Amino acid sequence: AQKITQTQPGMFVQEKEAVTLDCTYDTSDPSYGLFWYKQPSSGEMIFLIYQGSYDQQNATEGRYSLNFQKARKSANLVISASQLGDSAMYFCAMREGRSNFNKFYFGSGTKLNVKP
Amino acid sequence: EAQVTQNPRYLITVTGKKLTVTCSQNMNHEYMSWYRQDPGLGLRQIYYSMNVEVTDKGDVPEGYKVSRKEKRNFPLILESPSPNQTSLYFCASSPIPLTGNLYGYTFGSGTRLTVV
Repeated sequence: AQKITQTQPGMFVQEKEAVTLDCTYDTSDPSYGLFWYKQPSSGEMIFLIYQGSYDQQNATEGRYSLNFQKARKSANLVISASQLGDSAMYFCAMREGRSNFNKFYFGSGTKLNVKP
Repeated sequence: EAQVTQNPRYLITVTGKKLTVTCSQNMNHEYMSWYRQDPGLGLRQIYYSMNVEVTDKGDVPEGYKVSRKEKRNFPLILESPSPNQTSLYFCASSPIPLTGNLYGYTFGSGTRLTVV
């Protein structure tokens, strides 16, 4: 089974609107971390947000928030008030507990296009 | 500024000519790793290192070598590059957690390698 699944290969959003990028994960480890990265066309990987499996609250970083639904094993990224500069590939990723620390699982990515 | 520095950003080389992609981090991270990113195949781990003189294979190690003689540096060596090693390469680092959060990666800016 895929560890990280991103089912939206591409999405469009109107500037200034909010958008949700989907991510589901699969693990039996009670300790894990979920991450979102942004990859603009220039190629670099930029860390956006982190959610730990034991965190009670959903993570937020500026315009980014993570909608963490543990029972559903989903970790959707919400971008509020989209900007043109948000156009990029977005990757969801997971790292499992300390016993499997060397593995970092990435989804296949969602390409977001923000329309003016 | 805390960062992972990769060089070069772009490299075009010929088949069989040995090359080294350098990676250096200034955050005193124990863990470092190399990935390659290819369209349709996502990010795949090549090698990783848990500390100085401790390295291990990832998912796609064939054709690559690494060394970790100092904590800050983790070069990727292609002894005899071939066209199927044309890819976007990332170096990444993170702390190893003793307690608490599972840390995400800090990525280098990437190296676009073309082997002709």
